[in-house]
Amino acid sequence: GAGVSQSPSNKVTEKGKDVELRCDPISGHTALYWYRQSLGQGLEFLIYFQGNSAPDKSGLPSDRFSAERTGGSVSTLTIQRTQQEDSAVYLCASSLAPLGTGAEKLFFGSGTQLSVL
Amino acid sequence: AQSVAQPEDQVNVAEGNPLTVKCTYSVSGNPYLFWYVQYPNRGLQFLLKYITGDNLVKGSYGFEAEFNKSQTSFHLKKPSALVSDSALYFCAVRARNAGNMLTFGGGTRLMVKP
Repeated sequence: GAGVSQSPSNKVTEKGKDVELRCDPISGHTALYWYRQSLGQGLEFLIYFQGNSAPDKSGLPSDRFSAERTGGSVSTLTIQRTQQEDSAVYLCASSLAPLGTGAEKLFFGSGTQLSVL
Repeated sequence: AQSVAQPEDQVNVAEGNPLTVKCTYSVSGNPYLFWYVQYPNRGLQFLLKYITGDNLVKGSYGFEAEFNKSQTSFHLKKPSALVSDSALYFCAVRARNAGNMLTFGGGTRLMVKP
């Protein structure tokens, strides 16, 4: 596609419900990242996928958070038993190659605004 | 651990005046440094990066940034601000041995007034 696509753009859910957020990276981009942007905060790294390698999950805040990437393309971030503190904008980014190879530029989607009531 | 500080939540400048958005970082070893911009209702966009070489880096839309190793800073600058530069600016750092995690600062909102 022309850019990184995320859906839904907005999601309102009740505390305790599960949510799934989708990211469709730029075609051909091997690296995919999830970040979280809370109000008044910077971007918090969540998880990173590179090709068929095991993902770097070091940023996931709790075991309620998980993510998968199917076929090296589309990724889904799942939050189970949502809490109010999960409310944030969830951003997905992709890049042509892993950081450190010279292709350092990340392309971001417009994000999913998650509101947990 | 690596970190980024953007000490100003908001910077106000008049159109046509020079602007500076400050960024300092903490990292083990040599850093990779980046600036990203987030315009209203749009995703983050890459502005510029410092990898190695010349300390003055030029990027998109007339922006530039200067890497200062002794002060561990990477301030974003532009000689003449435009109203259309009003946006949220994020500085980011990654240590050369830090895998793939890019650490972002808290962001600085730039307001350029006519």
